[in-house]
Amino acid sequence: GENVEQHPSTLSVQEGDSAVIKCTYSDSASNYFPWYKQELGKRPQLIIDIRSNVGEKKDQRIAVTLNKTAKHFSLHITETQPEDSAVYFCAASKWTGKLIFGQGTTLQVKP
Amino acid sequence: GAGVSQSPSNKVTEKGKDVELRCDPISGHTALYWYRQSLGQGLEFLIYFQGNSAPDKSGLPSDRFSAERTGGSVSTLTIQRTQQEDSAVYLCASSLDPTSEKTQYFGPGTRLLVL
Repeated sequence: GENVEQHPSTLSVQEGDSAVIKCTYSDSASNYFPWYKQELGKRPQLIIDIRSNVGEKKDQRIAVTLNKTAKHFSLHITETQPEDSAVYFCAASKWTGKLIFGQGTTLQVKP
Repeated sequence: GAGVSQSPSNKVTEKGKDVELRCDPISGHTALYWYRQSLGQGLEFLIYFQGNSAPDKSGLPSDRFSAERTGGSVSTLTIQRTQQEDSAVYLCASSLDPTSEKTQYFGPGTRLLVL
C-alpha cells in the first residue's frame, strides 16, 4: 500500500547550522510532494512543495530535492533560526491529491 | 480571504455518544479532505471529496465514521457511538483543484476527547 517513511524523528541543531530531513515513498505513481510545518497546537502550514517533473526547488533558506528513481525526497533548511523549531511533515500524493504523510520530524534549533 | 474554518474547536463527549464535526473550506475550492492526527502522531487520511462526491473513503476507520458534503462547500464528519480511541485532532483541508493546483490549506482542527 501507500507509505511514506520519514527520518529522523527528532533533529537538534545549533542556530545557523543546516538541517536535512529525508523521506521515502512507496507508490511510484506519486507526483506531488509537499512539506508542512506544524507549530505546537497550530494547523499544518505548507512551506514548500515539488512536483515529479522537477528535481529541485528552492525558496530562500528552504530547498527540496526529489530523486524519482530512488523514490526519495529531502528538505534542506540552511542558516537555521530558533523560529524554525517545529514539527515538519513530508507527504506524497497522486492525482487525487490525497496526502500520505510521513510520521514527522521534530526540529529543535538551539540559540 | 477567509481560510478553512472548523467547528467546534474542542469537543468533549462521553463514550457511546455521537458527534458531528464541521468544515467550511475556502470559497471556490472543489476538493475537501479530512485527516486525523492522534497525539504526537502524523496525519492520517480519512476521506476525500470532489464536489459533493466522495471518490475515496478508504481512510475511514470503521462504519461508525461517515461524512457528507453539501452544495460543494460545507462538510460534516460524523462519528457514531464514539470510542476512546477516537480521541484525536480532526483536520480538514481544501484545495482549488487536486489535479492542477494541489496545495492543500488546513483548518485549525477540532480536538475531540472521548471520556
